[in-house]
Amino acid sequence: GDSVTQMEGPVTLSEEAFLTINCTYTATGYPSLFWYVQYPGEGLQLLLKATKADDKGSNKGFEATYRKETTSFHLEKGSVQVSDSAVYFCALSLPGGTGFQKLVFGTGTRLLVSP
Amino acid sequence: KAGVTQTPRYLIKTRGQQVTLSCSPISGHRSVSWYQQTPGQGLQFLFEYFSETQRNKGNFPGRFSGRQFSNSRSEMNVSTLELGDSALYLCASSYQGADGYTFGSGTRLTVV
Repeated sequence: GDSVTQMEGPVTLSEEAFLTINCTYTATGYPSLFWYVQYPGEGLQLLLKATKADDKGSNKGFEATYRKETTSFHLEKGSVQVSDSAVYFCALSLPGGTGFQKLVFGTGTRLLVSP
Repeated sequence: KAGVTQTPRYLIKTRGQQVTLSCSPISGHRSVSWYQQTPGQGLQFLFEYFSETQRNKGNFPGRFSGRQFSNSRSEMNVSTLELGDSALYLCASSYQGADGYTFGSGTRLTVV
């Protein structure tokens, strides 16, 4: 079945360090790919998305490129801040017959950034 | 514009009871989907409603049900609560269900 695999956390970084969170997927078809972020006690916020191969999603300094050849969608940020501390979820969606695209999530990666 | 609103934010129930959670989508959004988040199972899809019809259902027992009203507001109901139903229940809305999702802050249900 369709699935998403993320690197285990927590990822612990100092402020201004470079961030990479790995995400690979398995899907039958051509999924759209997403990164969501969850802050403590909150729901999920869409961080960025890409809908086709070689697309780059970007937002708030975060970037991810849809790599079909390696079935990956790694999240990167050049310089993290303490306020980036959160749990990051990689997800995919595939079109269904009804028009609805169910989200399939990875297990999440906790990022801890220290001053 | 207002986001997705879920009520209540927190709920404590006893085993065997039933519970109803509410979700008000973004104005104009007709698709509402529900997800359960637990530390053990992660985020799992429960069901999706569009124009008052359930279009898709995840792999959950029949104790989990939902409905959608003509104004697109949705409720989910869990009957005969079990300890394992303790979770954060998240609602997401979108215009048609295939164009991006906005999540609410969730309802944290604790079953004791």
